[in-house]
Amino acid sequence: DQQVKQNSPSLSVQEGRISILNCDYTNSMFDYFLWYKKYPAEGPTFLISISSIKDKNEDGRFTVFLNKSAKHLSLHIVPSQPGDSAVYFCAARGGATNKLIFGTGTLLAVQP
Amino acid sequence: EAGVAQSPRYKIIEKRQSVAFWCNPISGHATLYWYQQILGQGPKLLIQFQNNGVVDDSQLPKDRFSAERLKGVDSTLKIQPAKLEDSAVYLCASSPSTGGYEQYFGPGTRLTVT
Repeated sequence: DQQVKQNSPSLSVQEGRISILNCDYTNSMFDYFLWYKKYPAEGPTFLISISSIKDKNEDGRFTVFLNKSAKHLSLHIVPSQPGDSAVYFCAARGGATNKLIFGTGTLLAVQP
Repeated sequence: EAGVAQSPRYKIIEKRQSVAFWCNPISGHATLYWYQQILGQGPKLLIQFQNNGVVDDSQLPKDRFSAERLKGVDSTLKIQPAKLEDSAVYLCASSPSTGGYEQYFGPGTRLTVT
């Protein structure tokens, strides 16, 4: 039962263009969503988050959009840089224990 | 501020052997998590500690996996005996409290079971 889904295993974007990473979820009780970035041989690093009471959160080049009715969120990176090349995980917080449920990740490759 | 420390970084063992992983969380972080990340999948929570008490171990295979967090600081995760399907990266994370939604991850231990 995959409650958080990232249907695109990989994405390739030209430097300077926009990268859009997508995430879908099934559990309407999720109240907080996070994006993590992971480089090879390193642990995931927190990138940006959004509460379920908001529909947009922006931090520099990174913006996360949440569409609760569609149970969909997306991460926009503008402009994309080669250093953004990494695996991006979407995660949802479920319940009072702060448990995070992760998607399977999307490998982003930003071409110079 | 020092990050989450884990050791060893890599471990290769044969099936039916035992193995242990160590984690030192960020100083002052009350909550500690162990995740298993199988290749091609996202991290899956195995166990969550609040100080030295277990908050959630619903996905921990208790017949072979065990974890402890003595004195509410360092933690060890043990597998005994290991199976081929235990090959994965084991990630430790910590957060300031159960109300803090961001979790800070260590570099992980890559386990290969042959």
